[in-house]
Amino acid sequence: EAGVAQSPRYKIIEKRQSVAFWCNPISGHATLYWYQQILGQGPKLLIQFQNNGVVDDSQLPKDRFSAERLKGVDSTLKIQPAKLEDSAVYLCASSIAPLPVSTEAFFGQGTRLTVV
Amino acid sequence: AQKITQTQPGMFVQEKEAVTLDCTYDTSDPSYGLFWYKQPSSGEMIFLIYQGSYDQQNATEGRYSLNFQKARKSANLVISASQLGDSAMYFCAMREKNTGNQFYFGTGTSLTVIP
Repeated sequence: EAGVAQSPRYKIIEKRQSVAFWCNPISGHATLYWYQQILGQGPKLLIQFQNNGVVDDSQLPKDRFSAERLKGVDSTLKIQPAKLEDSAVYLCASSIAPLPVSTEAFFGQGTRLTVV
Repeated sequence: AQKITQTQPGMFVQEKEAVTLDCTYDTSDPSYGLFWYKQPSSGEMIFLIYQGSYDQQNATEGRYSLNFQKARKSANLVISASQLGDSAMYFCAMREKNTGNQFYFGTGTSLTVIP
């Protein structure tokens, strides 16, 4: 079974530029998460989708971050304009369903973003 | 308040020895799940083991076991017979039934296995 695919693996941009990350979850997984992991910290949820609807985006900086999941499959996370503090690894994860709580999430390898 | 606390930024263990990675959690939800993930230098998070709040027995998966002490709200990961490939970051995480089912992660513990 193919895992969660993310691209690109690495990205370096200048501040105030825009960037987009792509995620293809495991086939059949209804729930998709985007996490931000700053160096030395644990992952922090940015947005959670259930199919193509947003379940939780309370921690997404909506003035600069946006995400969509068209057709309930692939997802794109965009930052525009980027700030230095956006430098982090962006992890995409998927799970077959949000419940029960025992349902594990499968993670991609992440995109390492460096803003200079 | 932090939902997941991992107090050990770094740990060292001799190859073939056992090591315990600490995790405490904070929740008032009676239905929750606790997870441990391994993150090698390649970056992806690898699921290791799960413990449910209603589980009576400690979870085990191969060389991994979870020391679940519900009253103390702790869920420590025990790795037996450490191998060099166990060197990685380890994250404790929790899901609560009543809060949108997101995963709350701790800050992680960096484990180094010494040959």
